[in-house]
Amino acid sequence: DAGVTQSPTHLIKTRGQQVTLRCSPKSGHDTVSWYQQALGQGPQFIFQYYEEEERQRGNFPDRFSGHQFPNYSSELNVNALLLGDSALYLCASSLLERDEQFFGPGTRLTVL
Amino acid sequence: QQQVKQSPQSLIVQKGGISIINCAYENTAFDYFPWYQQFPGKGPALLIAIRPDVSEKKEGRFTISFNKSAKQFSLHIMDSQPGDSATYFCAASKGGGSNYKLTFGKGTLLTVNP
Repeated sequence: DAGVTQSPTHLIKTRGQQVTLRCSPKSGHDTVSWYQQALGQGPQFIFQYYEEEERQRGNFPDRFSGHQFPNYSSELNVNALLLGDSALYLCASSLLERDEQFFGPGTRLTVL
Repeated sequence: QQQVKQSPQSLIVQKGGISIINCAYENTAFDYFPWYQQFPGKGPALLIAIRPDVSEKKEGRFTISFNKSAKQFSLHIMDSQPGDSATYFCAASKGGGSNYKLTFGKGTLLTVNP
């Protein structure tokens, strides 16, 4: 049983560009949450998707948007990239009625 | 406002010793408290979690102690091993089976010397 998978592993972009990150949840999971982890910090909640709808949102600007597909996989899109968007982006997979969240390996985004 | 405060920032322990990491929270609505272990270049891995209806939970060498009145909880790693060297994060959420967002502490870098 595959765990949470994310792609790509690493990504380098320049300021002003747009980026799309992808996540596939664990088999049987229906809820996907995205977190941003800056270097040396704990993960910060971006938003959560369930049934293809944004269910919760953290304190992130509208430049950050997402999508969930019928197969429960999800995308995180970031527009107009800033240097400060450089971070490890983590996807967490879960069942809506359970509290446990399981993280993927993350995508390391570098904005130059 | 930092809702979950974690200490110490770093910790060095000898092999076989006890590692203790502490967290304090402010939001009394929190009722699910997990600990995650993260190795360099990897995502956080769920280690152990506790809810406020118990004061202690043990899984192998890992124990969570919970003090609801003080709004504090801690992770104890018994018989610490070099393979335990990693960054540990405490977290909290409203829980209750609602899969609410996790609020994380800033992390503790644990080094276990052989």
